[in-house]
Amino acid sequence: GQSLEQPSEVTAVEGAIVQINCTYQTSGFYGLSWYQQHDGGAPTFLSYNALDGLEETGRFSSFLSRSDSYGYLLLQELQMKDSASYFCAGCNTGRRALTFGSGTRLQVQP
Amino acid sequence: DGGITQSPKYLFRKEGQNVTLSCEQNLNHDAMYWYRQDPGQGLRLIYYSQIVNDFQKGDIAEGYSVSREKKESFPLTVTSAQKNPTAFYLCASSISRTENTEAFFGQGTRLTVV
Repeated sequence: GQSLEQPSEVTAVEGAIVQINCTYQTSGFYGLSWYQQHDGGAPTFLSYNALDGLEETGRFSSFLSRSDSYGYLLLQELQMKDSASYFCAGCNTGRRALTFGSGTRLQVQP
Repeated sequence: DGGITQSPKYLFRKEGQNVTLSCEQNLNHDAMYWYRQDPGQGLRLIYYSQIVNDFQKGDIAEGYSVSREKKESFPLTVTSAQKNPTAFYLCASSISRTENTEAFFGQGTRLTVV
């Protein structure tokens, strides 16, 4: 089976750094993706880790450790507009369609 | 501009009726997907299609049906057999059926049973 676990909610202040963790249980795993979704909107792609290590894209970074079945999304210099839900997602060789975690709601406070 | 278009944005259905949600993409993507999202929850896979005239069930396919007669279109029918259809439905597509790296989503259809 496939399952991805994330914390349900995280709160941080503007300008701070926050890390959102994701642990997964799936076999033949291609990699880990991260998506952002504002209330009422569509999910948008943030990053993808095919290999172990850190991927950096501006204020956002994502990390993957296949040996630990673990990844995280790191958001730096938080802004109010970063308040949204963040989902980790993955797919495996058995089913080439993304399975999403339940999402982490990030609240950025002034 | 290329993208995915879902229609309608809001849909109301009476109990016992079938309804069809439209999803069209002009990104020339091979793969298309339907997800259901309930309030405060993640996305659950209903159906997906990697090529024209072929599709597979996801985790919650019961009460739903799809077709993929054209590369750019992947309509979802919510049948009367779906016991709790009120939800936010999201259609997505991706460029490759061999490695799913980035999915592009439509703006969603919010279905309410009245």
